[in-house]
Amino acid sequence: EPEVTQTPSHQVTQMGQEVILRCVPISNHLYFYWYRQILGQKVEFLVSFYNNEISEKSEIFDDQFSVERPDGSNFTLKIRSTKLEDSAMYFCASRLDRVETEAFFGQGTRLTVV
Amino acid sequence: DAKTTQPPSMDCAEGRAANLPCNHSTISGNEYVYWYRQIHSQGPQYIIHGLKNNETNEMASLIITEDRKSSTLILPHATLRDTAVYYCIVRVESNDYKLSFGAGTTVTVRA
Repeated sequence: EPEVTQTPSHQVTQMGQEVILRCVPISNHLYFYWYRQILGQKVEFLVSFYNNEISEKSEIFDDQFSVERPDGSNFTLKIRSTKLEDSAMYFCASRLDRVETEAFFGQGTRLTVV
Repeated sequence: DAKTTQPPSMDCAEGRAANLPCNHSTISGNEYVYWYRQIHSQGPQYIIHGLKNNETNEMASLIITEDRKSSTLILPHATLRDTAVYYCIVRVESNDYKLSFGAGTTVTVRA
């Protein structure tokens, strides 16, 4: 069964450092998403990406965040200068390009900012 | 997207059916009901969705009331691996697939 793959599974970084979280979506999917979940809280939408551009972003997704699909297979989330409050599970998701199809989520990257 | 209300938690005996309710009294005619679950901080997993007809797949059944103000997700034979947080999400179907997760229902399946 096809799946969304995220690496690394756990990343520890120092406050102020840049981090890149990587995702390999399902190969024929065209819509890509990042969500995050702070420990003990709800899953929150960050950004959606289609046709090489952001289609929607939440207020969480400020100038410190960026996304990229550099090579047609990877989908990355970059946090330029991490803060303690960026510590969370980050989930990548992908979806086919038509309505009434479900999103497939990866297993997540646990980001710990110290 | 319309708001949903789910009980915070429920227990279920292994092998029995688990019936998970969801209220969405402000749902509009073009909004679908989606169910996802999250097993122990793993990525959310799609279960089922529907508009107004009842739906069934290999994982579960979705029963939507005639007025569409509430629905029930049925896990026909719950197993210990079904222990998870279950999210009922109501949304307009569109290419933009932003999902708004609430607190969900924590389902604990007991042996």
